[in-house]
Amino acid sequence: EAGVAQSPRYKIIEKRQSVAFWCNPISGHATLYWYQQILGQGPKLLIQFQNNGVVDDSQLPKDRFSAERLKGVDSTLKIQPAKLEDSAVYLCASSPQRTGGTDTQYFGPGTRLTVL
Amino acid sequence: AQSVTQLGSHVSVSEGALVLLRCNYSSSVPPYLFWYVQYPNQGLQLLLKYTTGATLVKGINGFEAEFKKSETSFHLTKPSAHMSDAAEYFCAGTTGGFKTIFGAGTRLFVKA
Repeated sequence: EAGVAQSPRYKIIEKRQSVAFWCNPISGHATLYWYQQILGQGPKLLIQFQNNGVVDDSQLPKDRFSAERLKGVDSTLKIQPAKLEDSAVYLCASSPQRTGGTDTQYFGPGTRLTVL
Repeated sequence: AQSVTQLGSHVSVSEGALVLLRCNYSSSVPPYLFWYVQYPNQGLQLLLKYTTGATLVKGINGFEAEFKKSETSFHLTKPSAHMSDAAEYFCAGTTGGFKTIFGAGTRLFVKA
């Protein structure tokens, strides 16, 4: 079974530029998550989708971050404009069930973003 | 609000020694609890999880954890450390809202 795919793996941009990350979850997984992992910290949930609807986006900085999950499969996370404090690893994960409360989450390798 | 606290950002053990990584949760209701491991340049991988039932949970690679409600703890142990266990370990929990909260992580070093 193919795992969660993410691209790009690394991205370096200047502050105030825009950037987009892509995630392809495991086939058939209903729930998709985007996490931000700042160096030295645990992953912080940014947004959670169930199929193509948003379940939780309470910690997504909506003035600069946006995310969508088209047709309940692939997802993109965008930052516009980027700030220095956005430097982090962005992790995508997916899980099989509708809500994912007890589900195992399957993580992709992440995208390491450096904002200069 | 729910929180997950991992005691010790770094733990160092000798190969063959006991591994003990500590995790405490703060919740008004018993949560679902998880331990994930992250190897360098890789995504997180599930080691084990507690949902309901038996409080001693066995996971992959010889790890186990015990849910202790009275102590609000879910510590991870392995009887004998191996060099390949060197990684970062994250404790996580979810409650009825199905939102997962991760601890800050503990980096395990294994000395030869």
